Amino acid sequence: AQKITQTQPGMFVQEKEAVTLDCTYDTSDPSYGLFWYKQPSSGEMIFLIYQGSYDQQNATEGRYSLNFQKARKSANLVISASQLGDSAMYFCAMRGDTGRRALTFGSGTRLQVQP
Amino acid sequence: KAGVTQTPRYLIKTRGQQVTLSCSPISGHRSVSWYQQTPGQGLQFLFEYFSETQRNKGNFPGRFSGRQFSNSRSEMNVSTLELGDSALYLCASSLVLVTLPFQETQYFGPGTRLLVL
Repeated sequence: AQKITQTQPGMFVQEKEAVTLDCTYDTSDPSYGLFWYKQPSSGEMIFLIYQGSYDQQNATEGRYSLNFQKARKSANLVISASQLGDSAMYFCAMRGDTGRRALTFGSGTRLQVQP
Repeated sequence: KAGVTQTPRYLIKTRGQQVTLSCSPISGHRSVSWYQQTPGQGLQFLFEYFSETQRNKGNFPGRFSGRQFSNSRSEMNVSTLELGDSALYLCASSLVLVTLPFQETQYFGPGTRLLVL
């Protein structure tokens, strides 16, 4: 079984500042993938970034980076230079190597960027 | 390349009715998964289809069913609607990576908001 824990229901950040959204996971699979999605109020889930369990380097995609600490089973999302358009729900998700394509999601963090 | 499309976007039904939701995946994506999102339960996996076959199913009653067509388009059906079925239903598609399935990225559609009265 897999489990994702996001302990921050809500976060505030000032525009242009960096923010870290926490995610811890639990799995017995030797290989797994970790994903972050953004969900604006419109409802669509937007893929942001992916980290593989065997990747040696932390993933980066533009202003998004993933702080992956395998031993601590954490995969925190860092958003640099926050923008007003970053205000949304953010979900951490994972998939193991059991062949099930279903993603296991955390409960999400609502980020509000203040001007 | 066009993204995942879902129709309809909004739907209002009454208890006892049935509903069919449609999902068209990104071109070339052969795996389609469905999720239900509610404020109380969060995002829950419904089922996944690949090559017109249901590969996995979440913990939902038999009233929830689906299918996939030869062009990878998928439909899900909910029969005998209950108030608790009110939710955002999200469809996601992905390429199939046979050797490294855990790397597959799912791309989501805009969802169908279902309200059951």
